Amino acid sequence: DSGVTQTPKHLITATGQRVTLRCSPRSGDLSVYWYQQSLDQGLQFLIQYYNGEERAKGNILERFSAQQFPDLHSELNLSSLELGDSALYFCASSLQGNTEAFFGQGTRLTVV
Amino acid sequence: GENVEQHPSTLSVQEGDSAVIKCTYSDSASNYFPWYKQELGKRPQLIIDIRSNVGEKKDQRIAVTLNKTAKHFSLHITETQPEDSAVYFCAAIYSGAGSYQLTFGKGTKLSVIP
Repeated sequence: DSGVTQTPKHLITATGQRVTLRCSPRSGDLSVYWYQQSLDQGLQFLIQYYNGEERAKGNILERFSAQQFPDLHSELNLSSLELGDSALYFCASSLQGNTEAFFGQGTRLTVV
Repeated sequence: GENVEQHPSTLSVQEGDSAVIKCTYSDSASNYFPWYKQELGKRPQLIIDIRSNVGEKKDQRIAVTLNKTAKHFSLHITETQPEDSAVYFCAAIYSGAGSYQLTFGKGTKLSVIP
């Protein structure tokens, strides 16, 4: 167990819908990363937060947004979902930005 | 931003042989280089990491080397075992203006043949 908790583990939804993925980082970790992993693909960096502030942005679609709350948990919001958004979404946390990142178990999103 | 290239994309070795995976990065400001192992259906897990002030690091059968001048780093696994079969990802952290972008390579699927 990495100490990073992601909910839900599985999510099935229809095209056009909106979903929210939740991540609770390890106790004490200030940095949270979000990644998208499509089937047999690598880890696509979406966004990073540090102590509540957005610090780095990757190839995140405009339909996607995220935030980190004062208690350091983070949410990734995906809207106007398309079939191609089906993927495994990972959250990772680290103490600071350039220390070991621990991954959650991921949320498997299926858009039908 | 940072760009990380990883080769090969697939690698098959006989049990007991060595495996080498190579990565290059683009931004000379990157200073932390972790390697992750991802087994099928599971989360990526750190297996070894190296910082830019170190040239080589070993942990039992696993070693990582870093060449800052050439901007490349490599993972070496010796005496491979079937349980080493997994997808391996290299990564680089670019640190700039308070941001830490952890960028991954596309992964190497390692198969160890018994």
